[in-house]
Amino acid sequence: GAVVSQHPSRVICKSGTSVKIECRSLDFQATTMFWYRQFPKQSLMLMATSNEGSKATYEQGVEKDKFLINHASLTLSTLTVTSAHPEDSSFYICSASGVGGRGAGNTIYFGEGSWLTVV
Amino acid sequence: KQEVTQIPAALSVPEGENLVLNCSFTDSAIYNLQWFRQDPGKGLTSLLLIQSSQREQTSGRLNASLDKSSGRSTLYIAASQPGDSATYLCAVSPYNFNKFYFGSGTKLNVKP
Repeated sequence: GAVVSQHPSRVICKSGTSVKIECRSLDFQATTMFWYRQFPKQSLMLMATSNEGSKATYEQGVEKDKFLINHASLTLSTLTVTSAHPEDSSFYICSASGVGGRGAGNTIYFGEGSWLTVV
Repeated sequence: KQEVTQIPAALSVPEGENLVLNCSFTDSAIYNLQWFRQDPGKGLTSLLLIQSSQREQTSGRLNASLDKSSGRSTLYIAASQPGDSATYLCAVSPYNFNKFYFGSGTKLNVKP
């Protein structure tokens, strides 16, 4: 079964509103989580690296004030798309690594992904 | 910066054929390489993970090889089935950073 869970799997929001996507590690402590974005017919691009208890590290070109990442606990990271616009419509997916349970051994697990549509 | 390329971008084959998907990467200093499957509208399913010290991994009808020095990996699918139709993504991780750089994928269609 899944060891990393994302919620919601699909979300539609109005332009100008904010939307939060959650990424949870189910049976291990995720010390590091990664957020990716995939535009239609393109590959996944890393957006940011999220370390528990510290600020996220954003990749070049990703607006940190628009894509707020919070990794407040060892099992949860959230991505908030603020003031969403139609061009933010995309597939967002997280991955996690850590310690304990199935997270041991430096294995990376991916969530199921979240489809965001901004209308 | 690491760049990952996958060829071909799309592939259509009749059921039963053996096929090879290719992946190349520009920086050979990788920690591991992973092949994923992505079905339309769905998330990623991990297929095979090859550590940098390994040369291949096998799972059922799938075999992935890695030639780190030349920056190449192949995914071999034996006796393809319509259920194999999906997009296959190759991703490499720099040394021990756990983040992945993805290729643009190969969209496979296996015709009954």
